[in-house]
Amino acid sequence: GDSVTQMEGPVTLSEEAFLTINCTYTATGYPSLFWYVQYPGEGLQLLLKATKADDKGSNKGFEATYRKETTSFHLEKGSVQVSDSAVYFCALGGAAGNKLTFGGGTRVLVKP
Amino acid sequence: EAQVTQNPRYLITVTGKKLTVTCSQNMNHEYMSWYRQDPGLGLRQIYYSMNVEVTDKGDVPEGYKVSRKEKRNFPLILESPSPNQTSLYFCASRASVGSGSLYEQYFGPGTRLTVT
Repeated sequence: GDSVTQMEGPVTLSEEAFLTINCTYTATGYPSLFWYVQYPGEGLQLLLKATKADDKGSNKGFEATYRKETTSFHLEKGSVQVSDSAVYFCALGGAAGNKLTFGGGTRVLVKP
Repeated sequence: EAQVTQNPRYLITVTGKKLTVTCSQNMNHEYMSWYRQDPGLGLRQIYYSMNVEVTDKGDVPEGYKVSRKEKRNFPLILESPSPNQTSLYFCASRASVGSGSLYEQYFGPGTRLTVT
C-alpha cells in the first residue's frame, strides 16, 4: 500500500537558518503530494501541494518539488522564523481519492 | 468563514462509556473523514464518507462507528471506549475529486480524548 516516510525530529534551528525536511513516498500510480503544518494547539493546515511530477509547490517561503525519479517531496525554506515552529507532515493522496496517507510528522523548533 | 468544527475539543472519559464526537463543515463538501493522530505515527484514517449515506472503513476502524445522515455532519461514535483509543482526533472534509481542489482536505481543530 501507499506509505510516506519523513525524517524524525525534533529539528532545532536558529532564526534565519535553512530548513530541509526530507520526505519520500511509495505509491501506485501518480499520487498528489502535500505538506501540512500543525501549529501548537491547532489543526492541520495545507502548506503547499504538487499534483504531478516536476511540479513545485510554494507558500510562505516554503518550497517542495515533486520528484518522481527519486519518489521524494522534500520541504525547504531558506530563512526560518520563530513563527515557523510547528509540526510538519508530508502526505500523499492516492489514486482512489479516498484518503491522505501521512508521514509521522517532523517537529521543528526555531530559536531566536 | 469556511471551516470544519469539532466538539468537544477535550474529553476525559472512562472505559466503556459510550461517547460521540461531532464534526460539521459549512463548505458543502461531499467527502468527510476521521483521522487519529498518535506520536510518531502521523495521522491514520479511521473512516471516511464519499457522500450522504456512503461510508467506508479506513486503516484503523476497529472500535469506531460513523454515520452520514446529512451532508454537513459526520459524527464519530465510540460505543465502548478503551484506553488504546486515547488519542487526538481530527475530522476533515474536501470537495469532490472533480472540483479542481484535488485532495486538498480541510481539517478541524482536533479533539483530544483520554480514556481511563
